[in-house]
Amino acid sequence: GAVVSQHPSRVICKSGTSVKIECRSLDFQATTMFWYRQFPKQSLMLMATSNEGSKATYEQGVEKDKFLINHASLTLSTLTVTSAHPEDSSFYICSARLRKGSGANVLTFGAGSRLTVL
Amino acid sequence: DAKTTQPPSMDCAEGRAANLPCNHSTISGNEYVYWYRQIHSQGPQYIIHGLKNNETNEMASLIITEDRKSSTLILPHATLRDTAVYYCIVRVVENAGNMLTFGGGTRLMVKP
Repeated sequence: GAVVSQHPSRVICKSGTSVKIECRSLDFQATTMFWYRQFPKQSLMLMATSNEGSKATYEQGVEKDKFLINHASLTLSTLTVTSAHPEDSSFYICSARLRKGSGANVLTFGAGSRLTVL
Repeated sequence: DAKTTQPPSMDCAEGRAANLPCNHSTISGNEYVYWYRQIHSQGPQYIIHGLKNNETNEMASLIITEDRKSSTLILPHATLRDTAVYYCIVRVVENAGNMLTFGGGTRLMVKP
């Protein structure tokens, strides 16, 4: 089945540093990936839609200069949290849509990356 | 997308069937019912989806009422590993591979 791999699963960093999270589709090509954020005891909230070869589309209230998204290939999207602060501490989850023509219309999610900013 | 309503939490005894309800009274004719679940500290996992017929796979069964205004996800023999938050989402199939909006879901606690 379709597998999405996220790395790292956990990261602790100092305030002011930048952190990169990778999201890879392992056995399928993903033209579109989605990045979500989840705070404790809350539901997932969409941050941005990552499109291969073009700029990401950000949800209202999400700073594009702070959360840099790159989707340079059909199997890799990266989220970089720049100048991280403690309030950026959260669980970040990516998901991928199977490329049209595959017959599937569901999203496959990564295992998530827990970011803690000290 | 049609709005869904789910109870915030449910308990189930291990080995018994877990029946998770979802109301979607404003569902349109071309909207499917999707179920995902999220085990603690993991990403969501697709479970099952259906349009109007009952569906069954290796994970669960989905029962959709004839008027399609509600549905029930059934885990036939719940185990402790089924403890998770279960999300009911209604989408047109063409958009089901697009971003999903997650509501509060139902927190299922399977107890020994």
